[in-house]
Amino acid sequence: GAGVSQSPRYKVTKRGQDVALRCDPISGHVSLYWYRQALGQGPEFLTYFNYEAQQDKSGLPNDRFSAERPEGSISTLTIQRTEQRDSAMYRCASSWTSGRLVYEQFFGPGTRLTVL
Amino acid sequence: KQEVTQIPAALSVPEGENLVLNCSFTDSAIYNLQWFRQDPGKGLTSLLLIQSSQREQTSGRLNASLDKSSGRSTLYIAASQPGDSATYLCAVADTGFQKLVFGTGTRLLVSP
Repeated sequence: GAGVSQSPRYKVTKRGQDVALRCDPISGHVSLYWYRQALGQGPEFLTYFNYEAQQDKSGLPNDRFSAERPEGSISTLTIQRTEQRDSAMYRCASSWTSGRLVYEQFFGPGTRLTVL
Repeated sequence: KQEVTQIPAALSVPEGENLVLNCSFTDSAIYNLQWFRQDPGKGLTSLLLIQSSQREQTSGRLNASLDKSSGRSTLYIAASQPGDSATYLCAVADTGFQKLVFGTGTRLLVSP
């Protein structure tokens, strides 16, 4: 079946603009995660959802960052008033979750964001 | 706060060698540990998942072990091939949390 998809794959924007990054998880996956990866580093957690409920947003750097998953499937990560330091690869992952059991996370190809 | 370290940061070996990549984590109260492969400009591919109750997992030429008490995991790659060249990332999920905490990775180059 189809894996996790993300769009756009590349986004170049000017400082101060808002951007919206989209993630379409694997069908049936309950959990959806957002990570950010700087060059030469491992991904860093931003936020995650179980169904449509945002369970943890402790990794969001500041209030310019927000995420939603209104119908428990597709998710959007929005960055308002972008700054150059927001430039990074933004990765989405999904996993199946059952009760307290958490299964492996599958990652999408990422969105490369460049803020000029 | 959980911290994950991977050693070495980079490794270069000739084709055919068996090799070991190391991952250590500071808090042993983990839920599971996952090894990923990352190719340049591409996404992360899940290689192996070890639940906290398991000691090892195997997939083809890959074998991952987990020692929770000492906060360590190793990824063993048998008979390395040039196609194994990539960055290998280790990530842990803490008990009670679903988020993954990643190491900085080991960059592997296998030369023909």
